[in-house]
Amino acid sequence: GESVGLHLPTLSVQEGDNSIINCAYSNSASDYFIWYKQESGKGPQFIIDIRSNMDKRQGQRVTVLLNKTVKHLSLQIAATQPGDSAVYFCAVSSTGNQFYFGTGTSLTVIP
Amino acid sequence: DTEVTQTPKHLVMGMTNKKSLKCEQHMGHRAMYWYKQKAKKPPELMFVYSYEKLSINESVPSRFSPECPNSSLLNLHLHALQPEDSALYLCASSQQRGAYGYTFGSGTRLTVV
Repeated sequence: GESVGLHLPTLSVQEGDNSIINCAYSNSASDYFIWYKQESGKGPQFIIDIRSNMDKRQGQRVTVLLNKTVKHLSLQIAATQPGDSAVYFCAVSSTGNQFYFGTGTSLTVIP
Repeated sequence: DTEVTQTPKHLVMGMTNKKSLKCEQHMGHRAMYWYKQKAKKPPELMFVYSYEKLSINESVPSRFSPECPNSSLLNLHLHALQPEDSALYLCASSQQRGAYGYTFGSGTRLTVV
């Protein structure tokens, strides 16, 4: 299996500030990583992914950083907005296998 | 169509009832998954289907019985459930098993009374 953890269970940020959500994983064979956003009453929604041959990937207002040396993953959200309030999960897999989800971080954006 | 559709959205059932959860996708995905999610917890994998064949059962009790009638449909048959089985049941699909992102449905909120 895979042990996946998050450094902080809750995070509160001011609107307009940047948010950083962290995730640690244990399996050095893990090679595909995804961040999901889950709003209340909904299923997880794909945000951004990264494969192990990269250490950084950018999307719209989001950046994922991967440090394979210390088995750490982070999600950066720029100019956080109230609509970003949700629970964020990292999900980790190794080739051909299913994903395991981290504990989750609840992000609250303060207007 | 880029969605995974789950029905019903809410279900209340007694411990002696038999019910089924349904999941449907028309994206041509060949892997489908059932996850269970308790409040304030991450999704926990239950079953994986790959090309309509059950490939993973994560030691799920036999009162949960999955079925994949065709490549677009996934069912979860429920029988003799316990109150602790109350949870959000999520269906997901991916192009193939493993190294592709999942598309999740909105889930079925199940309450066992």
